Amino acid sequence: DVKVTQSSRYLVKRTGEKVFLECVQDMDHENMFWYRQDPGLGLRLIYFSYDVKMKEKGDIPEGYSVSREKKERFSLILESASTNQTSMYLCASSTRVTGVDAFFGQGTRLTVV
Amino acid sequence: GENVEQHPSTLSVQEGDSAVIKCTYSDSASNYFPWYKQELGKGPQLIIDIRSNVGEKKDQRIAVTLNKTAKHFSLHITETQPEDSAVYFCAASIGTTDSWGKLQFGAGTQVVVTP
Repeated sequence: DVKVTQSSRYLVKRTGEKVFLECVQDMDHENMFWYRQDPGLGLRLIYFSYDVKMKEKGDIPEGYSVSREKKERFSLILESASTNQTSMYLCASSTRVTGVDAFFGQGTRLTVV
Repeated sequence: GENVEQHPSTLSVQEGDSAVIKCTYSDSASNYFPWYKQELGKGPQLIIDIRSNVGEKKDQRIAVTLNKTAKHFSLHITETQPEDSAVYFCAASIGTTDSWGKLQFGAGTQVVVTP
């Protein structure tokens, strides 16, 4: 089974802190994604990566950055956390062969106080 | 870019009845339409998908239909059971390597199946 693992289920951080969300997949997938999930808004794409050290902005990249130093790991970075970044964050991966069958992690519920 | 609208936002059904969720999309180039189920405390999980060269696809109690002319697609769940209670998301994608599999999601439908 494909496994996408996010390092934390719940995080509480203070305004202004630098926050790292980690995601690891074990299926040798080329593509990795970070989504943000908010009630009534569905899932919105923050950043994605289609190869090591490659990254592309999604629909809502402001206030975020990403890092992909190894194929299996994709990190989301909040440079200076703000209360409007309180949300559920979901990581996903997919193969380039199909490019579309995304497998999701269990999510990280981040609260910024 | 692609815009996906999903209705209804909440759906209550009696156990054994059918549930239908509808989505519309804006980009006629979209050619891949997956549906995800998200149970409480878990990430979304793919339950069924359809590609633009197919009009309908069934998998046991769930089916998806696609009308490319009207740019809408629907999820049908028959003989609903309490374990079908979850949030369901539709999505659309332009399935080429250039698109890198970017999915545009609908806002989600909370389905509640009451015994």
